[in-house]
Amino acid sequence: DAEITQSPRHKITETGRQVTLACHQTWNHNNMFWYRQDLGHGLRLIHYSYGVQDTNKGEVSDGYSVSRSNTEDLPLTLESAASSQTSVYFCASSEDPSEKLFFGSGTQLSVL
Amino acid sequence: SQKIEQNSEALNIQEGKTATLTCNYTNYSPAYLQWYRQDPGRGPVFLLLIRENEKEKRKERLKVTFDTTLKQSLFHITASQPADSATYLCALPLWGGYQKVTFGTGTKLQVIP
Repeated sequence: DAEITQSPRHKITETGRQVTLACHQTWNHNNMFWYRQDLGHGLRLIHYSYGVQDTNKGEVSDGYSVSRSNTEDLPLTLESAASSQTSVYFCASSEDPSEKLFFGSGTQLSVL
Repeated sequence: SQKIEQNSEALNIQEGKTATLTCNYTNYSPAYLQWYRQDPGRGPVFLLLIRENEKEKRKERLKVTFDTTLKQSLFHITASQPADSATYLCALPLWGGYQKVTFGTGTKLQVIP
């Protein structure tokens, strides 16, 4: 079955370190998204991509970057991790986002 | 700016009753609205989509309404079961981005046996 997987499931890092979270989908969806989820804020869009070599900033993109070199993967990089980036990160993909999104199981990131 | 409001307080209901969750939005007229279910430690799972020209959508025990005048969507679960206990999120497109979806904070539903 097609799926979307995120790795790692849990990550602890130190302030100032570069961190990359992986997202891989096997649906061949063009559209991929990264969200963070925090208490009181819901899911907020970080970056998104509508296809290979296409990347765009979302609502809360400062301190994050993405790259899209193939259809299946959209890694999220924290250039210099900050404690404010401690959160749960979700990746999603979709054939048509106006229809529905498919989410991964999330990565719990702690920045100490 | 665009704002989505869901009741942040948990909703506790008795098994067999109808649960009604509310999603209000401001400063915007979205072309569609989606509802998702999220269980602890898991990603959201899509449940229902309703478009601006639709008043109501049903799927099994689920019903969604969309009132563009009140700027509100209601999500109903009839004959609720303990297995329906979860957090329910509403989502709609970001202003200026039909394909970019933003989410409310969610309402936690607890169905008591």
